[in-house]
Amino acid sequence: AQSVTQLDSHVSVSEGTPVLLRCNYSSSYSPSLFWYVQHPNKGLQLLLKYTSAATLVKGINGFEAEFKKSETSFHLTKPSAHMSDAAEYFCVVNAQGGKLIFGQGTELSVKP
Amino acid sequence: DAMVIQNPRYQVTQFGKPVTLSCSQTLNHNVMYWYQQKSSQAPKLLFHYYDKDFNNEADTPDNFQSRRPNTSFCFLDIRSPGLGDAAMYLCATSRVKGSTDTQYFGPGTRLTVL
Repeated sequence: AQSVTQLDSHVSVSEGTPVLLRCNYSSSYSPSLFWYVQHPNKGLQLLLKYTSAATLVKGINGFEAEFKKSETSFHLTKPSAHMSDAAEYFCVVNAQGGKLIFGQGTELSVKP
Repeated sequence: DAMVIQNPRYQVTQFGKPVTLSCSQTLNHNVMYWYQQKSSQAPKLLFHYYDKDFNNEADTPDNFQSRRPNTSFCFLDIRSPGLGDAAMYLCATSRVKGSTDTQYFGPGTRLTVL
């Protein structure tokens, strides 16, 4: 069975400092992994996607994530936070049959 | 731009009064999904259509129904809304149901039950 654990329910950073949102997964086969972002009262927007090609995945808005099979991790990073990055972030694994398994979400706050 | 559209963005209904939420897509995707998202929680899949094939999640209440009259449109019907059904309802689409396929989400409809 597949599962996703986001290790922090809330992360707070200052504008201009690096962002690290942590995600661990469990899967019996090579998974497809996604990061989605959700701003208040909005739908989910795809940030990036890993599908067994390059282990370092670049996404939109300067975000990237590295797939580490040995650590079963898929952490999301950004070198420099912007105020507009404040949102909820979901790490997601795509189970067989296309069903998405969501992490619990991490709320990112960005302080001026 | 190809996209997933949900109407209305905000819906207010009364306890027990049927309500219908609408989703349309211009992506020509085969699969359409409905999720329920309550405050500070991850989205929860209610059901999905693969073409005309309806797939209900085991724990979706009978109060929730769906219709897909054509490829572009999908509706969520709540027959007798209760206070616990107040939530954000998200529609998503994907080309097929493969494990590498991306689901594209609409902006959501926030449902309030009075």
